[in-house]
Amino acid sequence: KQEVTQIPAALSVPEGENLVLNCSFTDSAIYNLQWFRQDPGKGLTSLLLIQSSQREQTSGRLNASLDKSSGRSTLYIAASQPGDSATYLCAVRPDAGGTSYGKLTFGQGTILTVHP
Amino acid sequence: DGGITQSPKYLFRKEGQNVTLSCEQNLNHDAMYWYRQDPGQGLRLIYYSQIVNDFQKGDIAEGYSVSREKKESFPLTVTSAQKNPTAFYLCASSITPSPYQPQHFGDGTRLSIL
Repeated sequence: KQEVTQIPAALSVPEGENLVLNCSFTDSAIYNLQWFRQDPGKGLTSLLLIQSSQREQTSGRLNASLDKSSGRSTLYIAASQPGDSATYLCAVRPDAGGTSYGKLTFGQGTILTVHP
Repeated sequence: DGGITQSPKYLFRKEGQNVTLSCEQNLNHDAMYWYRQDPGQGLRLIYYSQIVNDFQKGDIAEGYSVSREKKESFPLTVTSAQKNPTAFYLCASSITPSPYQPQHFGDGTRLSIL
């Protein structure tokens, strides 16, 4: 059974700091990994999608890497800002066929606070 | 603007009552999904639909039902058989059912028990 773990559970940093969020998964048979942002009481905003054949994806100040063989992904946020404060979730799309076809398996999230 | 609209934002259920959560998308996406989010547990898949008039159970389908009569609509009914319905419910869609496509989410409905 695929399990996704995110470390740390919470992170508080001063504005301007570069930071790394970690995501690990137990089964390397995945189609892709997706990073999301969730603001309090809101839905999920897709940040980056990394296919299993890719090593990294970049969007603005965000860079996500994927090491499928070791079951790890990192989300790097450069020059953090208070507006980056949110919960960050990673999710993998298992390559297991059958009823797993439509499924994203989520981690529990990292709560990020960037203080001025 | 194109997007996924969930309504209502807040919903209250009485004991023994069925309630229906609405999810509408104008993105012309084929696939739609329902997830449940509980504090500290991440999101779990309830049902998904790859195409109109088709849907499949996810990991926690018991006590829920869905329909997909129109491409743009995927309502979720929380039945009285769901004994612990208090949660945040999120609807998502993707352009095709392909696992290579990203899923995009609505703003959610928070369901509570009266």
